[in-house]
Amino acid sequence: NAGVTQTPKFQVLKTGQSMTLQCAQDMNHEYMSWYRQDPGMGLRLIHYSVGAGITDQGEVPNGYNVSRSTTEDFPLRLLSAAPSQTSVYFCASRPRPHGGYSNQPQHFGDGTRLSIL
Amino acid sequence: SQQGEEDPQALSIQEGENATMNCSYKTSINNLQWYRQNSGRGLVHLILIRSNEREKHSGRLRVTLDTSKKSSSLLITASRAADTASYFCATVRTDSSYKLIFGSGTRLLVRP
Repeated sequence: NAGVTQTPKFQVLKTGQSMTLQCAQDMNHEYMSWYRQDPGMGLRLIHYSVGAGITDQGEVPNGYNVSRSTTEDFPLRLLSAAPSQTSVYFCASRPRPHGGYSNQPQHFGDGTRLSIL
Repeated sequence: SQQGEEDPQALSIQEGENATMNCSYKTSINNLQWYRQNSGRGLVHLILIRSNEREKHSGRLRVTLDTSKKSSSLLITASRAADTASYFCATVRTDSSYKLIFGSGTRLLVRP
């Protein structure tokens, strides 16, 4: 198993450009999430999905869109890049919890380092 | 706002010493998890402790949870240079079981 795969690993954009960060997992996990990591602030949840066709907002969703057409893929779209979106982006997945509680650990990709000029 | 906050923000110890990191959170939780992040890499899950558990061990790791104080601690015994990394706590709230919310992390440096 490759686990969680993120592409690209690095990207430089100009303000106003759009792009899609790709995330794929081969573990058949129902739950997937996108986080951004900024220096000194830990990870903040952008969007998450509990299954194909179902997405919801996290703590910092503005400026980002997601979709979940398959179990495997969970792309993150930046609609109009801004310098404030310069960050490291992590995708994560985990199995559906049992009994309604999230007692499963998350598996993370290695991140996409995004710079917006 | 973030659910968990780690303390200290940075910790430097000698190889062989024990390292203790603390995490405080604000609301009722279902479980608390600890993750490690090596420089330039993603996070790796270390240990999960449920709200009805008080202590858990995994190898050189010991985690405690005090729900009355809304706090947890991670102890790494007999540290090694390879333990140098950032450590994050993450919580699953009882009112939002789909979300895993991370703290800001503790940067651990183990000097050889």
